[in-house]
Amino acid sequence: GQNIDQPTEMTATEGAIVQINCTYQTSGFNGLFWYQQHAGEAPTFLSYNVLDGLEEKGRFSSFLSRSKGYSYLLLKELQMKDSASYLCAVVDSNYQLIWGAGTKLIIKP
Amino acid sequence: ETGVTQTPRHLVMGMTNKKSLKCEQHLGHNAMYWYKQSAKKPLELMFVYNFKEQTENNSVPSRFSPECPNSSHLFLHLHTLQPEDSALYLCASSPSRDSYTGELFFGEGSRLTVL
Repeated sequence: GQNIDQPTEMTATEGAIVQINCTYQTSGFNGLFWYQQHAGEAPTFLSYNVLDGLEEKGRFSSFLSRSKGYSYLLLKELQMKDSASYLCAVVDSNYQLIWGAGTKLIIKP
Repeated sequence: ETGVTQTPRHLVMGMTNKKSLKCEQHLGHNAMYWYKQSAKKPLELMFVYNFKEQTENNSVPSRFSPECPNSSHLFLHLHTLQPEDSALYLCASSPSRDSYTGELFFGEGSRLTVL
């Protein structure tokens, strides 16, 4: 079967750096998404990786290793507003989106 | 504001009620989706419409009935639901379903509680 694993919950301190990991086993690969979802709000797009390597977008970066079936989302200079759930999703060979259960990130002052 | 609006935001219904969820997108997209989001579980794709035609139904019970009158509107009709159907129902849109490498635009969801 197809599977996406990410930690259920993480806690970090304001101003620090946090890395949220996502590992996947899917039938084929056509890209990996990260979405952010604040409580009671819509998930919003953060990043899309289809090639190996690191893509940086302001305080957020996303890394992909296709050979390892692994991605991470790196958040720098954490702010209280970064408290949210982070969803990892992989596009498989049939162009179906396979979702992880999400990582709830708690930022403490 | 994602350009996708869902109503109502909250809904409480009994097991014998009939209600509907509404989704409207103002992005000019041609594909629309219904997802179910339960606590600590992955998003579950329920239905996909591409150019108003239903292209996917992921073994969803018949007590959920979708309707897509045009590319901008999507409904989910609910009847004789079960308590386990309580969840957040998310609507999303994308330019088309032909390629899934584009981002999805989600609404804020309808929080459904079945008593």
